[in-house]
Amino acid sequence: DAKTTQPNSMESNEEEPVHLPCNHSTISGTDYIHWYRQLPSQGPEYVIHGLTSNVNNRMASLAIAEDRKSSTLILHRATLRDAAVYYCIPGGNDMRFGAGTRLTVKP
Amino acid sequence: NAGVMQNPRHLVRRRGQEARLRCSPMKGHSHVYWYRQLPEEGLKFMVYLQKENIIDESGMPKERFSAEFPKEGPSILRIQQVVRGDSAAYFCASSPGRDKTPLHFGNGTRLTVT
Repeated sequence: DAKTTQPNSMESNEEEPVHLPCNHSTISGTDYIHWYRQLPSQGPEYVIHGLTSNVNNRMASLAIAEDRKSSTLILHRATLRDAAVYYCIPGGNDMRFGAGTRLTVKP
Repeated sequence: NAGVMQNPRHLVRRRGQEARLRCSPMKGHSHVYWYRQLPEEGLKFMVYLQKENIIDESGMPKERFSAEFPKEGPSILRIQQVVRGDSAAYFCASSPGRDKTPLHFGNGTRLTVT
């Protein structure tokens, strides 16, 4: 199983970009990198996923290192509603979640 | 297209009773995952099922816990003889396939054991 390393917590100011890093040095060649987030008192929600190329959607962008051993989730303009725990998961059979990064957004 | 439906949203059981948690996956999804989240902790994988089969139950406690996903009907997580330590939020997720496809989560069942 690929293991991930994410900072325990990060802070951002509202309206500023946020870069959330994740190291997954043992990822296998065919595993997609998934990002989810969990807002307080809610179930996790899918944010974005990718394999090798950088990906963009309406929620965020995902930058994947060329060697695939790390990735960065980019929120282009953080809002108060983006305050959540963000999980990076190299996909596989089990989709196990790590501790994630708790993002605090300050007004 | 309805999302993943979990019920009940809240469940209160006395110690020793049984808890049955239901999860209806999204239409067309044949893969179901169950997770447990203790207060102020992260999500812990419990079990991964595909229609009528348990694929991975390595996260399930060996005793009192069982899961099924029958050909017809919702997936059921069953906890027998509940104890206070079982109090947690239980989340179900579904997907149409493995690995490449994102998981869609329900809003969870919050189990309280008194």
